Amino acid sequence: EVQLVESGGGLVRPGGSLRLSCAASGFTFSNAWMSWVRQAPGKGLEWVGRIKSKTAGGTTDYAAPVKGRFTVSRDDSKNTLYLQMNSLKTEDTAVYYCTTGGNYWGQGTLVTVSS
Amino acid sequence: QAVVTQEPSLTVSPGGTVTLTCGSSTGAVTSGHYPYWFQQKPGQAPRTLIYDTSNKHSWTPARFSGSLLGGKAALILSGAQPEDEAEYYCLLSYSGAWVFGGGTKLTVL
Repeated sequence: EVQLVESGGGLVRPGGSLRLSCAASGFTFSNAWMSWVRQAPGKGLEWVGRIKSKTAGGTTDYAAPVKGRFTVSRDDSKNTLYLQMNSLKTEDTAVYYCTTGGNYWGQGTLVTVSS
Repeated sequence: QAVVTQEPSLTVSPGGTVTLTCGSSTGAVTSGHYPYWFQQKPGQAPRTLIYDTSNKHSWTPARFSGSLLGGKAALILSGAQPEDEAEYYCLLSYSGAWVFGGGTKLTVL
């Protein structure tokens, strides 16, 4: 059974940093292209960024609002996906989901950016 | 960045048929946009119903189907059930970058 479990969310001040994790199981994580998607309270889904598998180059792509501030990385030895978020803004407040190429989703972790 | 458009809201009668559409500001939606459809109920994570235009997952109810229709991606629900009341999102890929539609709130009434 595929499982994705996000963690690391919480309350952070504007300008602060936070690192989210997504622990994966039930599939060959190293072969998967993984993405982060967020959802602000009461709003729709928004793609954040993606990392390809190492065999596909391991490269990353980001949505414009987070480019230069957020970094997606992976540790295939730990079956874990990460999202490093720096220079956080109030508009980054959202539930953050990890997903395997849009097919399987975690339950999400809430990030609140507020002073 | 491209804008993906969906109907903000639709209503269907129990047992009825409804078509949700997903358009692109850049022109016709094609299979090369790899359209996805997701269902989301309040307080829950999204659940993927359709991937790559028309492919279903093992958990996708048979009453849901996906296609391309009139230059848009379409999600067709035939024989709506009360439990189908939810928000539906489409996703299109633009050279690897994902763009979600704004969502369609589907009411079964």
